[in-house]
Order: sequence, then structure tokens, then C-alpha cells
Amino acid sequence: GAVVSQHPSRVICKSGTSVKIECRSLDFQATTMFWYRQFPKQSLMLMATSNEGSKATYEQGVEKDKFLINHASLTLSTLTVTSAHPEDSSFYICSAGTNGLRGTEAFFGQGTRLTVV
Amino acid sequence: AQSVAQPEDQVNVAEGNPLTVKCTYSVSGNPYLFWYVQYPNRGLQFLLKYITGDNLVKGSYGFEAEFNKSQTSFHLKKPSALVSDSALYFCAVRDVNSGYSTLTFGKGTMLLVSP
Repeated sequence: GAVVSQHPSRVICKSGTSVKIECRSLDFQATTMFWYRQFPKQSLMLMATSNEGSKATYEQGVEKDKFLINHASLTLSTLTVTSAHPEDSSFYICSAGTNGLRGTEAFFGQGTRLTVV
Repeated sequence: AQSVAQPEDQVNVAEGNPLTVKCTYSVSGNPYLFWYVQYPNRGLQFLLKYITGDNLVKGSYGFEAEFNKSQTSFHLKKPSALVSDSALYFCAVRDVNSGYSTLTFGKGTMLLVSP
């Protein structure tokens, strides 16, 4: 199956700093990438959908100025958590899809554990 | 709107016994259904999917699931559980007629297989 690589897998940052998380599709072109947030013992919450070359579409309640998403190429999307606070600590997961795979499974990255201290 | 229900927070089973993780769904049209597994601090791994065709779908690691349209269910099953199957399992649904991007996940079911 297709491979999605997410980096870093774990990051600890100080409150007030920004953190960038990368999501790469290694062997296919991802026209669309999705960013999820997962709280402990809870399901995945879709934060935003990004299409290559256009602005991301954010889900209701997600602050677009705090969670900056860039999808500059068909293989890379980034999520930047700006001015991070402890409440932003969470597990962030990206997934990628392509128009050619309509109806099939989405491919997920390994996830990033963000801890803001 | 589409939704997924996983009624059990946790399922406990002894190694070697059959296991079932339940999932029911709601979509306005025809569903695409998926099961994913998540190990601690890891992303989701795809197990299997139902798109069309046979109601019984076989997937990775010996798992299978049966699509039941009348009961709007897609329960995950395995004939003989392994300790290594212990993980968090997510059922997901997408309406065939919705944008292909929109997957809705259940809340997850923790499977614990005891030796």
C-alpha cells in the first residue's frame, strides 16, 4: 500500500513557541491531505483538509490562525501549531488521499505526539 | 450526515478464542466502510474495507468483517485471537456520494487479548 511518513514522531516544546509537523506521501501523489487530532482514549477529530496549491478547509471550531496548514506540493503538507499552549498537547495524525483512489482507504502517517510545557 | 457507533469501549477475550468488535453506521446513501487498528503512539493501520461485492470482507492479520445492510452493521471478527491483536480499533464510514475525503470515525474499541 501507499506510504505516508509523518515527522517528527514526538516533540516537546515550550509554551509560546511554534511547532511544525510534516506529512509526506512517499510513493504517490497526494492531491488531498487531512489533519486529525486525537485526544487520549478518543476518536480522531478532523481538523482540516488541504488540497495541493489551495487554502486548507478547516472544520468548525478549529482556529485557522493557530493551526497553519500548507500543502505546497503533491507530496508534502505541513501543520504548524503557532504560539503553542499546554492545551494544544495532543496526538496529531495526517492522512493522504488521491483522486485516483476514490472509495479506497486513506493512508495514515505514524502520528506526532506534541507536548507543550 | 454520516455517523459511526462502536458500542463497546473495550472488548476482552482470551487468546485462541474468537473475537468480535461491533460497529454500526448511518449514511444517507450507500456506504464505504473501513476498519483501522492503532497501536500506542502510532498512526492508523488499514485492516480492511467494504466497497461493493461480497458482504464478507477479508483483511490483514486474519481479520474479516461482514457488511449487513439491513442491520447497518460492519462487525470486525477474527476466528482465533492473538495477544498481539491487543490494540485500539476504529470503524469508519464514508458516504459513496460524499466527497471522497470525508471519513467519519467511531470512537474506537480497545481490544485486550489475554494469554
